[in-house]
Parts: sequence; C-alpha cells; structure tokens
Amino acid sequence: DTGVSQDPRHKITKRGQNVTFRCDPISEHNRLYWYRQTLGQGPEFLTYFQNEAQLEKSRLLSDRFSAERPKGSFSTLEIQRTEQGDSAMYLCASSPAGNQQPQHFGDGTRLSIL
Amino acid sequence: GENVEQHPSTLSVQEGDSAVIKCTYSDSASNYFPWYKQELGKGPQLIIDIRSNVGEKKDQRIAVTLNKTAKHFSLHITETQPEDSAVYFCAALWSSASKIIFGSGTRLSIRP
Repeated sequence: DTGVSQDPRHKITKRGQNVTFRCDPISEHNRLYWYRQTLGQGPEFLTYFQNEAQLEKSRLLSDRFSAERPKGSFSTLEIQRTEQGDSAMYLCASSPAGNQQPQHFGDGTRLSIL
Repeated sequence: GENVEQHPSTLSVQEGDSAVIKCTYSDSASNYFPWYKQELGKGPQLIIDIRSNVGEKKDQRIAVTLNKTAKHFSLHITETQPEDSAVYFCAALWSSASKIIFGSGTRLSIRP
C-alpha cells in the first residue's frame, strides 16, 4: 500500500501529558499537511510543509503544538500539555508540489484526552 | 473570510435514485474544488475534483458542476448504491495558500 500512513491510529492519554503522532506521506509527494477534525465537522487546516520547510501555520495551531518534517519525508506532530479540547482526529495529507494538486489523506490518529 | 457552506447536512435517497449536494464558497479567487467521501473510521477519500477553467466534470456515476460567477459548485451521484452511504465533503483551495477549506459535510444514506 503506497498511501499516506499515520501512526498510531488511536491514542488515549491523560490531560497534561505530551503526545506525538507520525505521518508517512506518499513517497513522491513534496507537500505534507496536517488537519484536525472534530465530530460532525469537516477537517480544519493546521499546517503544511514543502519538503522540510514549514510554510504556513493556522491560528488554530497554539504554542502547545509543534510539527516537524526534518528530512522532507515523514512528519511528526507533537502536542504538549494536552487539554480536553485537543480531543479530535488528526489527519495528515500529502500532495505533489504545484498549483491545484489533489491532497490525499491518511486514516488519521484519533486522540482522546481523559 | 474563508468559508465553504454545504447543504444539506443529511440526505436520504432511495437506492437507484440521484443525490445532489450543493456548496458555496467565499473566495472568488479559489480555483480548485475537490470532493471527498469519508467512511466511518477512515480518512477523507478524494472522489472527484474540478478546476476553475472547467464547468463540469464526470466520472462514471459522479459528476461535479461549477458556477464561478455565482461561486456555487455541486456534486451529483446517479443510480445510487448502498456503498455510496458515507459523509461527503466539498472543499475549496484557498487562493492565497495551499490549504483546503472544507464544508461541514453531508451524511448521505441510501435506503434499500
């Protein structure tokens, strides 16, 4: 399977703990995106990378959130000092570089904060 | 501001009938409009997309139309089947960025 892969699929943690998610994009895709989806809503953009450069961050991405893509391949999203409101599905997508390129999504990491 | 509105939020149709989902967007410079299907426990799956230089695009039972003047676009599914039951999202690529803005989704149910 050469689609977008996310790990773990589910994460349950206590409030105040740090969590880290991983995304492996489609191998030939230069761009990688993180979105957050809450129940009954569409995904909301968080941030994106072109190769290793983080080019845009949403206002939704508070100081407790950080994303990296150190070698321009896989990416990690870390949430520090988790809060109840962080409970959501975190989705990763990738696309080729260039305009109007389709973004392909992984199956997400569902985060539950106890 | 950045906004994509989607209607209806739920839609139930008889198997074999057609389903239509409608969306409007606010950024007149948006030029790419994908549609995604999301099944329970899965990520959104791209099913069709349309670019602003095209008014209509068809792929088997699925068609999309785009009216740039009115800033409307629609998804049409013909001859619906049980496996079409899912949540469908319209989306628009924001002109100033590479991010996609999603509608709030339509839960489509196909009645046997």
